[in-house]
Amino acid sequence: DAGVTQSPTHLIKTRGQQVTLRCSPKSGHDTVSWYQQALGQGPQFIFQYYEEEERQRGNFPDRFSGHQFPNYSSELNVNALLLGDSALYLCASSYLGQGREEKLFFGSGTQLSVL
Amino acid sequence: AQTVTQSQPEMSVQEAETVTLSCTYDTSESDYYLFWYKQPPSRQMILVIRQEAYKQQNATENRFSVNFQKAAKSFSLKISDSQLGDAAMYFCAYRSAFGGFSGGGADGLTFGKGTHLIIQP
Repeated sequence: DAGVTQSPTHLIKTRGQQVTLRCSPKSGHDTVSWYQQALGQGPQFIFQYYEEEERQRGNFPDRFSGHQFPNYSSELNVNALLLGDSALYLCASSYLGQGREEKLFFGSGTQLSVL
Repeated sequence: AQTVTQSQPEMSVQEAETVTLSCTYDTSESDYYLFWYKQPPSRQMILVIRQEAYKQQNATENRFSVNFQKAAKSFSLKISDSQLGDAAMYFCAYRSAFGGFSGGGADGLTFGKGTHLIIQP
């Protein structure tokens, strides 16, 4: 049973460019969350997708957007990249039907470097 | 807004000994969840232990246990019989039990800055 998979593992972009990161949730999971982890910091919640809609959002600008597909996989898009967007981007999946017992499973992340 | 504070950037312990990692949090909510996650060099966040705020009993998972002090808003992790494989970054995290999907869903986690745990052989 594959866990949460993210692609690519590493990415280098230039300021002002746009980037798309991808995430496939663990089998049986229907909810995907994205987190940004800057160097030396804990992860910060970006947003969460369920039923192809953004359900919750953290304190991130509109340059950060996402999408969830019918097969529950998800994309994170970042426009007009800034140097400060350099970070590890983590995807986490869960199954909403577990209610209070819901557990998050994380992928190994995409390391984004903005030059 | 909730905050999570880990005051120990780095901790070191001898193999087979016991170490305690500290975490405090601030919230005005009465029902929430607290977590400890481990992040090894592979970067994948791995759930170590989970505590529900309405449960008074401290959670335990094999060599890992917590000391949950709700009134003091403290949530420390004790690792007994430390092993080399325990070396990693450890993050304390908070999640509200409300909001999300009618109160039962997966709100975003609020993480602390982490503690780097070193195991000395």
